[in-house]
Amino acid sequence: DAGITQSPRHKVTETGTPVTLRCHQTENHRYMYWYRQDPGHGLRLIHYSYGVKDTDKGEVSDGYSVSRSKTEDFLLTLESATSSQTSVYFCAISERVVDGYTFGSGTRLTVV
Amino acid sequence: AQSVSQHNHHVILSEAASLELGCNYSYGGTVNLFWYVQYPGQHLQLLLKYFSGDPLVKGIKGFEAEFIKSKFSFNLRKPSVQWSDTAEYFCAVYGNNRLAFGKGNQVVVIP
Repeated sequence: DAGITQSPRHKVTETGTPVTLRCHQTENHRYMYWYRQDPGHGLRLIHYSYGVKDTDKGEVSDGYSVSRSKTEDFLLTLESATSSQTSVYFCAISERVVDGYTFGSGTRLTVV
Repeated sequence: AQSVSQHNHHVILSEAASLELGCNYSYGGTVNLFWYVQYPGQHLQLLLKYFSGDPLVKGIKGFEAEFIKSKFSFNLRKPSVQWSDTAEYFCAVYGNNRLAFGKGNQVVVIP
């Protein structure tokens, strides 16, 4: 959807390096989420934000940190990338979570 | 915490066949349920959602889902599938300011 973009779309990085993924929205939605998608596991929540500088952990937050200094941007950082973090990462936004999410196009991250 | 269980992870069927995907949820609060679809190489898109009222919900592309409270279920159906319905389907339940997703159903429709 045009209102949410993720960057980069693809990235290959080495084990032990820090990596930052960006999610940018133009919808002024309050809630932003980072999920990872892996075969056999579906989508698992990493972190989410319910406002500027307000974030909380999801079910698979170890090894990840997030920041939201502006409404429109939600950054996901892998502090020291490991091969187990090879995955497809999706950002999602919502104004009223009961209405569901709008998803970004995803970032395919490979850690070698 | 809320959770979702999806059955029959891989489904293969021929065009014009009927499709039913099972979804069972666990959540102690007010139930809001969703089905999302992910076409190959794409992101998730909303198929349909249930908040309240009529337990039979109609979505896009001829899909429908039925909420059965006594069975904690929200099964997805389509009477006659097409090759273009080849995709992965995810059930989700709302709770605690987030959606919890099931592991998905990979559906392959053979022409």
